[in-house]
Amino acid sequence: GDSVTQMEGPVTLSEEAFLTINCTYTATGYPSLFWYVQYPGEGLQLLLKATKADDKGSNKGFEATYRKETTSFHLEKGSVQVSDSAVYFCALSEGSESGGGADGLTFGKGTHLIIQP
Amino acid sequence: NAGVMQNPRHLVRRRGQEARLRCSPMKGHSHVYWYRQLPEEGLKFMVYLQKENIIDESGMPKERFSAEFPKEGPSILRIQQVVRGDSAAYFCASSPRFSQEYLTGELFFGEGSRLTVL
Repeated sequence: GDSVTQMEGPVTLSEEAFLTINCTYTATGYPSLFWYVQYPGEGLQLLLKATKADDKGSNKGFEATYRKETTSFHLEKGSVQVSDSAVYFCALSEGSESGGGADGLTFGKGTHLIIQP
Repeated sequence: NAGVMQNPRHLVRRRGQEARLRCSPMKGHSHVYWYRQLPEEGLKFMVYLQKENIIDESGMPKERFSAEFPKEGPSILRIQQVVRGDSAAYFCASSPRFSQEYLTGELFFGEGSRLTVL
């Protein structure tokens, strides 16, 4: 079945440091890939997404590129802020244009990011 | 333009009691998903429903758990005879059908209901 593996946390960085959170996936078809963010005490919010190979999703300074050859979707940010402290989830969906798929998302376990001032 | 609404946000129950968690999807969304997040773990899929229909309940425990999404009103996740291991955050998400958002699998999440079993 489908699965998502992401680096374990917590990841602790200083403000303005470069961030990479690794994510690799296993899927039978051609999934869409997502990064969701969960701030303390809140629900998940979609951060960015990519629907096909070589697509780059970006939002709020975060980027991730869909790499089919390495089945990866690593999250990066050039300069993190204290407000980026949260749990980040990589996820995939095997949606199809027939509408018969996409019965939900498969999530990784989440990576807790802590940014220190 | 309300998002996905879940209530209660926090629920405390004693062992053996029942817990009912409600979810109202975004306006125009007819598909609801329930996920459970245990402490220090990721989200685990529980059940996927359309109105009056359970599409996939492969993630639901076989006993004590049930879900429904009636024609009128919110979706309800019901846990009977709760045990301490049921303590978790339960998230509801919704998606539309036959739309671009649905085809790309994007789900819209509520803020979650945090169940504590004493």
